[in-house]
Amino acid sequence: DAGITQSPRYKITETGRQVTLMCHQTWSHSYMFWYRQDLGHGLRLIYYSAAADITDKGEVPDGYVVSRSKTENFPLTLESATRSQTSVYFCASRTGPSNTEAFFGQGTRLTVV
Amino acid sequence: KQEVTQIPAALSVPEGENLVLNCSFTDSAIYNLQWFRQDPGKGLTSLLLIQSSQREQTSGRLNASLDKSSGRSTLYIAASQPGDSATYLCAVRRGETSGSRLTFGEGTQLTVNP
Repeated sequence: DAGITQSPRYKITETGRQVTLMCHQTWSHSYMFWYRQDLGHGLRLIYYSAAADITDKGEVPDGYVVSRSKTENFPLTLESATRSQTSVYFCASRTGPSNTEAFFGQGTRLTVV
Repeated sequence: KQEVTQIPAALSVPEGENLVLNCSFTDSAIYNLQWFRQDPGKGLTSLLLIQSSQREQTSGRLNASLDKSSGRSTLYIAASQPGDSATYLCAVRRGETSGSRLTFGEGTQLTVNP
């Protein structure tokens, strides 16, 4: 089914480990985004990408790395997970810079112990 | 820095009631505003997108209005149903550039009681 898919849906990892969250979209949208959702902060942008091989930092990028070798995939890597990165992570996509809707994945709930 | 506030944080109403959810933003220079619905443990579902040049958008029982000059948007839900129970989020987009992200409010948690 077409759409935006995140995996895994749930993940528990230990402090200091590297973990990668996957995001895949079937619409060939140019723009992709990673947000995290935390109580008291709402959703905040971590990184975004305007096209394959083009990425840039958002509001809270520290401790995260992204890549976009293919238009449809936008993985988010926590290089050395910390407890403060316990959160729900959402991937989103949009067709382009114009006035279009953003569509979100189902989210990945990450717990760092 | 853009700040988005949603009031009330939670709302409980009986089935059939018409209701209004409020969203306010501090910087009126927005490109568009989007309303989302989030069900527990689920992702965000886009409900309505209002461009900065528009005053309102309608989809079924939902009507969203935008008053840029006062920094406000409302989401009107007519004849509420238990299935409308969810958290409603509004988000504003600052500009047209590639780095133009959505700034979210914290949401209104709506419960519609049968």
